[in-house]
Amino acid sequence: GDSVTQMEGPVTLSEEAFLTINCTYTATGYPSLFWYVQYPGEGLQLLLKATKADDKGSNKGFEATYRKETTSFHLEKGSVQVSDSAVYFCALSGAGGFKTIFGAGTRLFVKA
Amino acid sequence: DVKVTQSSRYLVKRTGEKVFLECVQDMDHENMFWYRQDPGLGLRLIYFSYDVKMKEKGDIPEGYSVSREKKERFSLILESASTNQTSMYLCASTDPGDYGYTFGSGTRLTVV
Repeated sequence: GDSVTQMEGPVTLSEEAFLTINCTYTATGYPSLFWYVQYPGEGLQLLLKATKADDKGSNKGFEATYRKETTSFHLEKGSVQVSDSAVYFCALSGAGGFKTIFGAGTRLFVKA
Repeated sequence: DVKVTQSSRYLVKRTGEKVFLECVQDMDHENMFWYRQDPGLGLRLIYFSYDVKMKEKGDIPEGYSVSREKKERFSLILESASTNQTSMYLCASTDPGDYGYTFGSGTRLTVV
């Protein structure tokens, strides 16, 4: 079945460092891909998305490119801030938006 | 601002009690979902609904039921709460083809 694998955390970075969180997927067909962010004590928020191969999703300085050839959707940010400390989830969804599959989540700590 | 509202942030119930978790969305979305989130297990789908009075089992429906009498409201019911149902419960909604969920803030349920 469909699945999402993302790098284990926690990831600890200093402020202004470059961030990469790896995500790979297994799916039949052509899924849509997402990154969600969860701040402490909150629900998940959609951070960015890409609906077809080679699409780049971007939001708040974060970017991810839908790479069909490597089945990957890695999250990047050029300069992280303390306020980016959160748990990041990679996810995929098939047609109709039913049954989104979530990765296990990667916790990010950013130190001042 | 569009919203998914979960009625309680924190809830403590006794073993054997019948528990209702309420979720309301103001976006006129057709699809609604209930997930539970546990450390090390990520998000697991309990039930979802794609229309009023329609429901489908997710990956872990045992011990739960749902009700969707109105489009905006999706209720999760624990028929007889048990300690292994202590968890964070997340409600989400989306429209078909919308690609991307809107989540509520979550209900942290403790069963004692």
